[in-house]
Amino acid sequence: QSALTQPASVSGSPGQSITISCTGTSSDVGSYNLVSWYQQHPGKAPKLMIYEVSKRPSGVSNRFSGSKSGNTASLTISGLQAEDEADYYCCSYAGSSTSWVFGGGTKLTVL
Amino acid sequence: QVTLRESGPALVKPTQTLTLTCTFSGFSLSTSGMCVSWIRQPPGKALEWLARIDWDDDKYYSTSLKTRLTISKDTSKNQVVLTMTNMDPVDTATYYCARSYSSSSGLAPDYWGQGTLVTVSS
Repeated sequence: QSALTQPASVSGSPGQSITISCTGTSSDVGSYNLVSWYQQHPGKAPKLMIYEVSKRPSGVSNRFSGSKSGNTASLTISGLQAEDEADYYCCSYAGSSTSWVFGGGTKLTVL
Repeated sequence: QVTLRESGPALVKPTQTLTLTCTFSGFSLSTSGMCVSWIRQPPGKALEWLARIDWDDDKYYSTSLKTRLTISKDTSKNQVVLTMTNMDPVDTATYYCARSYSSSSGLAPDYWGQGTLVTVSS
């Protein structure tokens, strides 16, 4: 059982927007602005899409955005494209004793 | 150009110790703010953070695995080594090393290796 809770799957049509939630606790997501999101295509290494809740690394499309409210972080993908179909994982800092925790992953299907 | 590559045995027996090496280029682990982490992913399952070593040799471990893990670095060789003792079939996974740099991505790993699949079986 993963420390952070994500929906197992979400889907959307090309051009639409979708949001993936990531629910933690007051010990991780709720306490630190250190939530990141990763995209993983089958057989590939994860790719960083969002860090520190809402910052985008250089080269990542501005169709990807992140936010946080309380113990829940969210990843929104606007203008869905076929290549966005992948697994998405959230990750949060959880303090010096636990360090980092991942969510269980969400499979995004572009219909 | 930042690259990382994991190397180590593809197959280990239960109770054995696993040693994985991450060889990287394009950055120096002696640079302030630089870190290298190990993360694993069992087949078909989620990512799991294992350990991290920082430029100043600070080390951090997963609470659930800390008694079995040791992370170290050789800055001159551009390598980070992870050892995991008492391997079990549930440790079968793809093991990734990844870099973080505070100036580009905070503490979030931004460059990852391709991963190496380790199978634990007798």
